Amino acid sequence: AQSVSQHNHHVILSEAASLELGCNYSYGGTVNLFWYVQYPGQHLQLLLKYFSGDPLVKGIKGFEAEFIKSKFSFNLRKPSVQWSDTAEYFCAVNQGGGATNKLIFGTGTLLAVQP
Amino acid sequence: DAGVTQSPTHLIKTRGQQVTLRCSPKSGHDTVSWYQQALGQGPQFIFQYYEEEERQRGNFPDRFSGHQFPNYSSELNVNALLLGDSALYLCASSPDRVTPLHFGNGTRLTVT
Repeated sequence: AQSVSQHNHHVILSEAASLELGCNYSYGGTVNLFWYVQYPGQHLQLLLKYFSGDPLVKGIKGFEAEFIKSKFSFNLRKPSVQWSDTAEYFCAVNQGGGATNKLIFGTGTLLAVQP
Repeated sequence: DAGVTQSPTHLIKTRGQQVTLRCSPKSGHDTVSWYQQALGQGPQFIFQYYEEEERQRGNFPDRFSGHQFPNYSSELNVNALLLGDSALYLCASSPDRVTPLHFGNGTRLTVT
């Protein structure tokens, strides 16, 4: 069965610090990978996605993620975080090849950015 | 604006009772999925509806059932509520079964 692991449950950073959130998945076939963000009091929003092609994916608000197939990883990065990036971040995966949009989520990482 | 609307926003029920949660998908979306998000966990897939039929189902008991109406809106029903059913229930919609999901704000269900 597919599973997603997010290594950091709670991250605290100061503004302007760099961010990297880890995500590993277990599935041997073709996958689609996603990062969703949930700002306080808001709904889950798609931050970025990887389906195929360039493994370095750029999303909204300056976020990017790199798909490393050999490591089954899809880590999220941002060079300089802002207070407004305080939110919970979820990595998710589904079976690729246009098969389904049923998502398997990680447990989430709560990011707190201190001004 | 989420585009996906869910009602009610909060609900308190007693063990053994039944509950119905409602979802209206984003305009132009005909596929609706339901997820359960327990405290401190990521969302878990319950099931997906398309063309008024359940198309995929996650690892949830038969106490969890759903329905999709001709206007694409959907209901999630949970019978014989258990304390462990307390969670945030998320509805998500998409224009097909492969496009990334748009999520609603969720319904917070508390079972006492």
